[in-house]
Amino acid sequence: SQKIEQNSEALNIQEGKTATLTCNYTNYSPAYLQWYRQDPGRGPVFLLLIRENEKEKRKERLKVTFDTTLKQSLFHITASQPADSATYLCALGRGYQKVTFGIGTKLQVIP
Amino acid sequence: GAVVSQHPSWVICKSGTSVKIECRSLDFQATTMFWYRQFPKQSLMLMATSNEGSKATYEQGVEKDKFLINHASLTLSTLTVTSAHPEDSSFYICSARGQGAGPQHFGDGTRLSIL
Repeated sequence: SQKIEQNSEALNIQEGKTATLTCNYTNYSPAYLQWYRQDPGRGPVFLLLIRENEKEKRKERLKVTFDTTLKQSLFHITASQPADSATYLCALGRGYQKVTFGIGTKLQVIP
Repeated sequence: GAVVSQHPSWVICKSGTSVKIECRSLDFQATTMFWYRQFPKQSLMLMATSNEGSKATYEQGVEKDKFLINHASLTLSTLTVTSAHPEDSSFYICSARGQGAGPQHFGDGTRLSIL
């Protein structure tokens, strides 16, 4: 069965540095990959979607890469701020099939 | 844009009670709505997918008679937890998606506590 791996350990990073989160997957060939942000006690918020034929996508301080050969996506936050502290979820999907979510990585940006 | 409202945000009730949770897309038409359950430090667990005007599709292991889902319009879906018991206590989150295979837009969840 398909499996998504995100580093479930918290990632601590100094303010101003670039945070890089990893999403690896196996037994699946997603057509697209999504990244969401989830704050404690809240629902996830959609951030970026990248398709299998795209290698990189940017939105303001966010950058996502998608390597279908390595079966990996990297999510970067440049010039990180304490307000970026949250759990970040990756999700894989194909067509109209249900999307599968990873467990998320908790990011803590230290002032 | 793409706002989803979920209500109530918090419910505490006695065992045996039925609880209804509403999920509304406020500024777009939700062709498909999803209901998830999330335990602490775990990923979102899909319970069911509903399309407007048709019966919900439940994931394996989810009791459809226990978790009743209605998607009566393009802006409203409801989840009713029938005869709730303490083991049903959890964080329930809905999401909505417009036409196509785009991103999901989530509500803020409902914290359900059954005493």
